[in-house]
Amino acid sequence: EVQLVESGGGLVQPGRSLRLSCAASGFTFDDYAMHWVRQAPGKGLEWVSGISWQSASIGYADSVKGRFTISRDNAKNSLYLQMNDLRVEDTALYHCAKARTATIRDLFDYWGQGTLVTVSS
Amino acid sequence: QSVLIQPPSVSGTPGQRVTISCSGSNSNIGSYHLYWYQQLPGTAPKLLIYRNDQRPSGVPDRFSGSKSGTSASLAISGLRSEDEADYYCAAWDDSLSGWVFGGGTKLTVL
Repeated sequence: EVQLVESGGGLVQPGRSLRLSCAASGFTFDDYAMHWVRQAPGKGLEWVSGISWQSASIGYADSVKGRFTISRDNAKNSLYLQMNDLRVEDTALYHCAKARTATIRDLFDYWGQGTLVTVSS
Repeated sequence: QSVLIQPPSVSGTPGQRVTISCSGSNSNIGSYHLYWYQQLPGTAPKLLIYRNDQRPSGVPDRFSGSKSGTSASLAISGLRSEDEADYYCAAWDDSLSGWVFGGGTKLTVL
């Protein structure tokens, strides 16, 4: 059974940093691309970033480019999101999502329950 | 404003058929497959339709998808109370080099 468990969320002041983690199990992690997708309270889904199976292809939404960095450790079956210079508008539930194949251009077929990031002074 | 445009809400009575539209452009729906996700209250999104009209195993055939040009639609027939959820369309966008979602459609079963 595919399991994706996010952690690292919390309350942080604007301008500070936070690192999210996603622990994956139930599938061969290094065969698949992975993504972060967020959902602001009461709002819709927004793709944040994706990384291919061996990290050769990485993409970011314009809203986070230059501030967020996605990475993965295939040996630890883990996905990360380093978030710097956080803004109030980054407040959201951050989901880790598995892609259907090794490329970031393929859909997300499994999602984690998410970790909540609240940016507030 | 989302890149993919969906109606904010639709409603229907049990047993009825409803459709949810998703409108995009040549850089997304017009060039790539369209996907649909269902998000029940308080849960993570679940893949409902992939590659425009394919259902993952376990998804009832009451759910069907179609795509034409730069638009797509999700049809739900034999509406049930448990179908009450938010529905999102998604596609890869070449201009943005990333994934784009519709704003979501809230389905209410009256």
